[in-house]
Amino acid sequence: GAVVSQHPSWVICKSGTSVKIECRSLDFQATTMFWYRQFPKQSLMLMATSNEGSKATYEQGVEKDKFLINHASLTLSTLTVTSAHPEDSSFYICSGKGQGFRSNEKLFFGSGTQLSVL
Amino acid sequence: AQSVAQPEDQVNVAEGNPLTVKCTYSVSGNPYLFWYVQYPNRGLQFLLKYITGDNLVKGSYGFEAEFNKSQTSFHLKKPSALVSDSALYFCAGTGTASKLTFGTGTRLQVTL
Repeated sequence: GAVVSQHPSWVICKSGTSVKIECRSLDFQATTMFWYRQFPKQSLMLMATSNEGSKATYEQGVEKDKFLINHASLTLSTLTVTSAHPEDSSFYICSGKGQGFRSNEKLFFGSGTQLSVL
Repeated sequence: AQSVAQPEDQVNVAEGNPLTVKCTYSVSGNPYLFWYVQYPNRGLQFLLKYITGDNLVKGSYGFEAEFNKSQTSFHLKKPSALVSDSALYFCAGTGTASKLTFGTGTRLQVTL
């Protein structure tokens, strides 16, 4: 199946710094990338949806100025957590959907990034 | 708003016994339902989906799921569990909203 490579797997940062998470689709063109966050013992919560070349659409309650999403190419999407604070500590995961895939029929997930903000 | 519920935080089963992981859904319109598995330090992996057609859907690694419209359920099943099936399982669904909603996950523990 298609592969989405997500880096880094884990990151520890100081409060107030910014962290960038990258997701690359290795063998397909991800026209749409979804970004989720997962708190312990909770489900994946959709943060935003980005289409290549367009501004991301954020879910209600997600600060677009804090969670910057860039999807400049069909194989790369990035999530930058700006001025991170301890409450931003979470597991972030991306998933890509390519051209030709029917809506939500199959998404390809990255392996996730565990962010810990001290 | 659409929702997906997994009522069990954990399911314990002995190897060789059948397993069931429960999922119920509430979506607008025709449901599109999915099961994913998450192994430690790995991303979610697709197991199976229901879009339309037969209510019994067969997926990867011997898993299957039964769509029950009247009970709005999509339980994951396997006739004979393996220790290697131990993982976190997520049910997900969407309707006309097209955004995927995930359940809270069920940890499956298979013991010898």
